[in-house]
Amino acid sequence: DQQVKQNSPSLSVQEGRISILNCDYTNSMFDYFLWYKKYPAEGPTFLISISSIKDKNEDGRFTVFLNKSAKHLSLHIVPSQPGDSAVYFCAASAVRSSGSARQLTFGSGTQLTVLP
Amino acid sequence: EPEVTQTPSHQVTQMGQEVILRCVPISNHLYFYWYRQILGQKVEFLVSFYNNEISEKSEIFDDQFSVERPDGSNFTLKIRSTKLEDSAMYFCASSEGQVKNIQYFGAGTRLSVL
Repeated sequence: DQQVKQNSPSLSVQEGRISILNCDYTNSMFDYFLWYKKYPAEGPTFLISISSIKDKNEDGRFTVFLNKSAKHLSLHIVPSQPGDSAVYFCAASAVRSSGSARQLTFGSGTQLTVLP
Repeated sequence: EPEVTQTPSHQVTQMGQEVILRCVPISNHLYFYWYRQILGQKVEFLVSFYNNEISEKSEIFDDQFSVERPDGSNFTLKIRSTKLEDSAMYFCASSEGQVKNIQYFGAGTRLSVL
């Protein structure tokens, strides 16, 4: 099941430069997308999300872009800092019937390394 | 800042034994979830829980698994007879609402089945 794909297992970026992490999805029913950051031995930490009715959402150094026609989203981190080094997961959820919980479908993650 | 707490952080058990993984979701959240991550693999959905009943479950969540909210704060995952392939990190998550489905995760329980 590859409904959410992160094709780059790793990315290295110099401190201060932009990090761009990419994610593709195949399920047209997905209408809410999230990025999580994960350090070793910790749970995923929520970073930023975007609804399918938008194409951009910004929060400080983090911006998520959604291209629905291409079924593609990306996370931009500007400027990148060494503390951003972690695994980044893209996740998506689909609309369900009223009141029911929405499961997240995760990508395989991208290991970001920000070099000082 | 409110957080999801999970206990124990590491559980070692013998194959065939029952284990209970415990979670305390964020207090005003209404939706609860269990996920697992086998080493080197994706985070996979197991089950969601709302209004005191299972909302959805994956094909992984077979008859060996059960969930319970025994009181107003705890949310537990029970594996009745553990198998070697149940070894994984188990994450509990909770969310406030359905539409803006931001799920907050605990630090996880590492389950090792010997």
